[in-house]
Amino acid sequence: DTGVSQDPRHKITKRGQNVTFRCDPISEHNRLYWYRQTLGQGPEFLTYFQNEAQLEKSRLLSDRFSAERPKGSFSTLEIQRTEQGDSAMYLCASSSPGRYGYTFGSGTRLTVV
Amino acid sequence: SQQGEEDPQALSIQEGENATMNCSYKTSINNLQWYRQNSGRGLVHLILIRSNEREKHSGRLRVTLDTSKKSSSLLITASRAADTASYFCATEGSGGGADGLTFGKGTHLIIQP
Repeated sequence: DTGVSQDPRHKITKRGQNVTFRCDPISEHNRLYWYRQTLGQGPEFLTYFQNEAQLEKSRLLSDRFSAERPKGSFSTLEIQRTEQGDSAMYLCASSSPGRYGYTFGSGTRLTVV
Repeated sequence: SQQGEEDPQALSIQEGENATMNCSYKTSINNLQWYRQNSGRGLVHLILIRSNEREKHSGRLRVTLDTSKKSSSLLITASRAADTASYFCATEGSGGGADGLTFGKGTHLIIQP
């Protein structure tokens, strides 16, 4: 297993456009998380999936954000009508009950111009 | 929102010296974890300490936890240039992972060769 994969690594988009990011977690991990990290800050929790069910959503996840995890495997995070304030690193992590620590992907850096 | 604060925000030491970083948090926790992040990359899990543990070691890392003071420290002994990175503490609450991890703002560590 090569760990958590995120695609794309970088995305530059114009304000108002929609973007979609993908995360492929470690196959045996049933928990998947999305985080957002801005420069000089720690990651902030966005949402949590257990298998295919989205069980928690942060208040940071506005109506323009939607996440899915069909079939409990990979996950997508879509941002509609992007704003400059959406510019950040979007990190995906996976874990499994009883296993310690989360495995993070390398992130997708979004720049909204 | 951020759970707490790491202290100091930045630390620069000579190679071979020990580096100590502190973390404070606000709410009750299930465990506390430390992560390392190299510039522009994802986070790497270093060590986890449970709420009923007081000290833990892993290689050159030593972590302490004082739940009465809601604080933790990370000691890196015999530092190396490759230890240059940002270090984050993260707490997992009692919700069984549903709320994910809550991160501090991190300590940026620079090891001078």
